[in-house]
Amino acid sequence: DTEVTQTPKHLVMGMTNKKSLKCEQHMGHRAMYWYKQKAKKPPELMFVYSYEKLSINESVPSRFSPECPNSSLLNLHLHALQPEDSALYLCASSQIPGQPRQYFGPGTRLTVT
Amino acid sequence: DQQVKQNSPSLSVQEGRISILNCDYTNSMFDYFLWYKKYPAEGPTFLISISSIKDKNEDGRFTVFLNKSAKHLSLHIVPSQPGDSAVYFCAARGDPLDAGGTSYGKLTFGQGTILTVHP
Repeated sequence: DTEVTQTPKHLVMGMTNKKSLKCEQHMGHRAMYWYKQKAKKPPELMFVYSYEKLSINESVPSRFSPECPNSSLLNLHLHALQPEDSALYLCASSQIPGQPRQYFGPGTRLTVT
Repeated sequence: DQQVKQNSPSLSVQEGRISILNCDYTNSMFDYFLWYKKYPAEGPTFLISISSIKDKNEDGRFTVFLNKSAKHLSLHIVPSQPGDSAVYFCAARGDPLDAGGTSYGKLTFGQGTILTVHP
């Protein structure tokens, strides 16, 4: 199983809502990542979890709150987002932290109204 | 400051011919380079990679060339097929042992090149 799954595929939320994005992998990978991708732009790293601990936060606003409940699961909690936060949110994993090859999920298309 | 650049937003190629996608970088600390392919509504999928200690890596129809002195890499697809039509991203890994000690092999992506292969 070399798949990273993400739910939901699409999400529309208002600026006062609270929602969560979910990412799951069963490859035994010990590093998981959140990326944000705007239209016609490259993916930009947001967070890195290494062995279930947050190791990198790329100066992401606190309205984005990551969580790694176990080695297979990664969540991104969203609260009080702005319309400019609308983007494709990609989850990825790698076997160990620092390993260059990352496996990406299909992404969640988020629209903030 | 874009450390990884793909200067061609798009490339159009006839089926059976060679596709050459280019990528330039500025950070000499990058130690590993990758190419990812992305179809609409899907996440990027890994294609091929190369370590900075090599200058060529081949996998079937795909070959990646690295010119460290020019800080340039390219992806060659021969022969090109219509199913290769996608967005191609090059990515570079920072040295996980760099002075900051916190890069953890962060990937920096180029802007992508849309490849269209015509039948």
